Amino acid sequence: EPEVTQTPSHQVTQMGQEVILRCVPISNHLYFYWYRQILGQKVEFLVSFYNNEISEKSEIFDDQFSVERPDGSNFTLKIRSTKLEDSAMYFCASSESHNTEAFFGQGTRLTVV
Amino acid sequence: AQKITQTQPGMFVQEKEAVTLDCTYDTSDPSYGLFWYKQPSSGEMIFLIYQGSYDQQNATEGRYSLNFQKARKSANLVISASQLGDSAMYFCAMREVLFGNEKLTFGTGTRLTIIP
Repeated sequence: EPEVTQTPSHQVTQMGQEVILRCVPISNHLYFYWYRQILGQKVEFLVSFYNNEISEKSEIFDDQFSVERPDGSNFTLKIRSTKLEDSAMYFCASSESHNTEAFFGQGTRLTVV
Repeated sequence: AQKITQTQPGMFVQEKEAVTLDCTYDTSDPSYGLFWYKQPSSGEMIFLIYQGSYDQQNATEGRYSLNFQKARKSANLVISASQLGDSAMYFCAMREVLFGNEKLTFGTGTRLTIIP
């Protein structure tokens, strides 16, 4: 069964460092998303991506964040200068269309120290 | 106002019993979708079931069914014959389609614990 895969599963980084979280969405899906979940809290939307551009983003997704689809398969989230409060589980998701279910990856747990 | 409200932070249910997890939503968009996801202790988010606002029948997927009451704006998840492996966090989420939103808005979740 096709699935969304994320790497790494866990990343520890020093405050101020750049991190890149990687995702391979399901191959025939056209919409891609990043969400995050701070420990013990609800899942929050960060950004959606369609047709090689950002289609929607939340207030959380400020200038420190960027997304890219560098080739036909990968979808990345970059945080330029990490802060302690960026520590969270980051989920990538993809869907066939904008009104069908989104399938999530297993998440990357980012710890900023 | 919260768009998705899950009023049960935690529930304990005896194995093999049915369980209902509550979810109410708030939207003025006539076209929307409602989703339930399961998050086990390992952390991944697993899609369970979807209900569209124009669907005439309640959605069912195996042991999962969605009790959709549009006038009350509720979309409760029903799990029949619960199993130990059902112990997890359960999130209700909504996507508002006509407003052009692609994002899912999640509730705060319900932690379900199945007791043997």
